[in-house]
Amino acid sequence: QVQLVESGGGVVQPGRSLRLSCAVSGFTLSSYGMHWVRQAPGKGLEWVAFISYDGSNKYYGDSVKGRFTISRDISKNTLYLQMNSLRAEDMAVYYCAKDCGDCLGFGMDVWGQGTTVTVSS
Amino acid sequence: DIQMTQSPSSLSASVGDRVTITCRASQSISRYLNWHQQKPGKAPKLLIYAASTLQSGVPSSFSGSGSGTDFTLTISSLQPEDFATYYCQQSYSPPYTFGQGTKLEIK
Repeated sequence: QVQLVESGGGVVQPGRSLRLSCAVSGFTLSSYGMHWVRQAPGKGLEWVAFISYDGSNKYYGDSVKGRFTISRDISKNTLYLQMNSLRAEDMAVYYCAKDCGDCLGFGMDVWGQGTTVTVSS
Repeated sequence: DIQMTQSPSSLSASVGDRVTITCRASQSISRYLNWHQQKPGKAPKLLIYAASTLQSGVPSSFSGSGSGTDFTLTISSLQPEDFATYYCQQSYSPPYTFGQGTKLEIK
């Protein structure tokens, strides 16, 4: 059974850093790409980042480019999102999601339950 | 970047109604379009991919259509569990943008 469990969220001051983790089971990260998607309080879904199944391609949303880094540890079957220079507008629930693989293009077919990031002084 | 625009932003309907939600892309995305459902306090769930292919386990009351820039999600007969927010998402090129969402409420 495919499962994704995020962790690492919390309260952080503006300008500081935070690393989110997403532990996956039921499949291997070397076989599927992965996404991070966020949702600010009361707002819609915003795509944040993607890493391909082989780690060779990484893409970012415009609002996080240069500040956030997506990575993974195959041996731990864990996906990461390193978030630097955090801003108030980064406050959101962050979801990791497995890429479909065969859905035509790049979309999310399994989602984690989310972890909450609060940016506040 | 490809912009995704949904209409309406909210919709009131009754159990048993047929409803249609529209999603428009700012440029042609062929059939690279997915639909996700989200209930309050829950993670999203994939309903339809490649514009019209139903994800495993999704009721056949849901259907999708369209290609190019215009897409629709149709629920043929609303059930109580269908009241949620629906998002389209383009899977054509990064950033893989979402529409702003359509909140489906009980009338």
